[in-house]
Amino acid sequence: KQEVTQIPAALSVPEGENLVLNCSFTDSAIYNLQWFRQDPGKGLTSLLLIQSSQREQTSGRLNASLDKSSGRSTLYIAASQPGDSATYLCAVQGGADGLTFGKGTHLIIQP
Amino acid sequence: EAGVVQSPRYKIIEKKQPVAFWCNPISGHNTLYWYLQNLGQGPELLIRYENEEAVDDSQLPKDRFSAERLKGVDSTLKIQPAELGDSAVYLCASSPNSGSAETQYFGPGTRLLVL
Repeated sequence: KQEVTQIPAALSVPEGENLVLNCSFTDSAIYNLQWFRQDPGKGLTSLLLIQSSQREQTSGRLNASLDKSSGRSTLYIAASQPGDSATYLCAVQGGADGLTFGKGTHLIIQP
Repeated sequence: EAGVVQSPRYKIIEKKQPVAFWCNPISGHNTLYWYLQNLGQGPELLIRYENEEAVDDSQLPKDRFSAERLKGVDSTLKIQPAELGDSAVYLCASSPNSGSAETQYFGPGTRLLVL
């Protein structure tokens, strides 16, 4: 059974800092890996999707990498802003299945 | 373009009562998912539909949970009877298909509280 772990569980940093969120998964046979953002009381917003054949994806200040063989992904956020405060969820898709999620990293950016 | 619509947004019921959640996916999306999210946890898949067919319902507690997606468009998830442990957020998501390049689009969820 696929298991997804996210480290750290919570993170608080001053505005402007660059930061890295980590995700690991136990079964490397995945279709893709996705990073989502969840604001309190809201649904999930897709940030980046990396297919199994890809190494990284970028969108604005966000960069996600994937090392499928070692079962790891990182989400890099450059020049953090208070509006980046949210919970960030990593999820992997194995086959044509639904997603298996980690518990998330709760991020606070201090103004 | 409208996103995934869910209703109600909030529901409070007493234990042993029935409850139903409704989801309307993004137009043209063939794949629909129901997830359960407990506080402080990531969502967990309950059931996946390809059009009107439930192709993965292995995580759905079938003694009390049921779902349907008539005509392959909107879907209903039902719990009967509800238990205290069912208090959670129920999320619906959809994607064009279930391929490797398809991201899933999530609705805002229905927050259920069972008293």
